[in-house]
Amino acid sequence: AQSVAQPEDQVNVAEGNPLTVKCTYSVSGNPYLFWYVQYPNRGLQFLLKYITGDNLVKGSYGFEAEFNKSQTSFHLKKPSALVSDSALYFCAVRDDRGSTLGRLYFGRGTQLTVWP
Amino acid sequence: NAGVTQTPKFRVLKTGQSMTLLCAQDMNHEYMYWYRQDPGMGLRLIHYSVGEGTTAKGEVPDGYNVSRLKKQNFLLGLESAAPSQTSVYFCASSRRTGAIPDTQYFGPGTRLTVL
Repeated sequence: AQSVAQPEDQVNVAEGNPLTVKCTYSVSGNPYLFWYVQYPNRGLQFLLKYITGDNLVKGSYGFEAEFNKSQTSFHLKKPSALVSDSALYFCAVRDDRGSTLGRLYFGRGTQLTVWP
Repeated sequence: NAGVTQTPKFRVLKTGQSMTLLCAQDMNHEYMYWYRQDPGMGLRLIHYSVGEGTTAKGEVPDGYNVSRLKKQNFLLGLESAAPSQTSVYFCASSRRTGAIPDTQYFGPGTRLTVL
């Protein structure tokens, strides 16, 4: 079975400090991993994805994520947080088996608050 | 290029009423999905479609039906609404890269309340 865990419901960080939002996954085969961000009363926006290749993936708005196969993790990071980064962040893993092709399994989300 | 749009944005129903949520995408994507979002539960897949005229059940399909008569539209129906269907509903679409769908792009959501 495919699953994603986001161990922290909330992350609080001061503006200018580095931020990390954690994600661990469980898959049967090779993982395809995604991060999405949701601002209040909006839909989900795609940030970045890992399919294969370099373990450090760069995405939108200065975010990056590090794929660690041995720890089955895909943590989202940013070197210097902005107040405008405050939002709900979702990690997701993709299932590429035939019966549920392309289905995304989402974590429960992590609320990031950046304090000025 | 509007991306993925959803109609309506908000709706209040009484128990037992029916309604249809419309999702439209102008990106010529093959795959389309309906999710519901509930507090503390992330997004759960209701139904999805891998192409015009085909649909399949997701994680929580009970109480919902879908249709994909045109490639650009994916309809979600509630035949007899229940308070447990109070939620925010998101539609998403993705293109197919070879045999594997690509990144999913989401609509703005429909907030549904069932009294």
